[in-house]
Amino acid sequence: SAVISQKPSRDICQRGTSLTIQCQVDSQVTMMFWYRQQPGQSLTLIATANQGSEATYESGFVIDKFPISRPNLTFSTLTVSNMSPEDSSIYLCSVCLQGMNTEAFFGQGTRLTVV
Amino acid sequence: GQQVMQIPQYQHVQEGEDFTTYCNSSTTLSNIQWYKQRPGGHPVFLIQLVKSGEVKKQKRLTFQFGEAKKNSSLHITATQTTDVGTYFCAGLRSTSYDKVIFGPGTSLSVIP
Repeated sequence: SAVISQKPSRDICQRGTSLTIQCQVDSQVTMMFWYRQQPGQSLTLIATANQGSEATYESGFVIDKFPISRPNLTFSTLTVSNMSPEDSSIYLCSVCLQGMNTEAFFGQGTRLTVV
Repeated sequence: GQQVMQIPQYQHVQEGEDFTTYCNSSTTLSNIQWYKQRPGGHPVFLIQLVKSGEVKKQKRLTFQFGEAKKNSSLHITATQTTDVGTYFCAGLRSTSYDKVIFGPGTSLSVIP
């Protein structure tokens, strides 16, 4: 299994500012992902964080808005830039230890409110 | 694009009643996973099904994968208040191993 520490757990931010969310895993993992979950909704994949290269973004998400860093195999950050109230959501990091066809472990999530 | 649907969206049951949620994909899946998310919590893996027609059981939970590998179900027998939460299915596309698609989830409430 994997233990994922995600922080902050929650934040209230002013519109126009940026927030960086950190995700630390207790073991080296190849595959790390960032999801968004709006209240009462399902999980939407934002991007796959690739170690040593640029993240792979899903349709509807762009690097300028959600820059991602992945400096090593245990750590990643997601920045939500130039925030607006529409960015209010829960952001979750996730890892798969042995490839996409194995179980995913999730961090506790970051509950973001933009005012 | 590929879609994974789930029904019902919400289900309220009396404690002791059974509960079933259904998951359907527009395309064939390599596998399907089920996750449970308690209110205020994060998704937690329950099980993975890989083979066509596969059935797996975990105590009161029974999981099925359809013969065509395009649908799945989760059945809970004699629900308990600890079963409260949202149940998500997540399908891995057969054509590519790069993306897991989560269904919209079924939110289960259990009335004691």
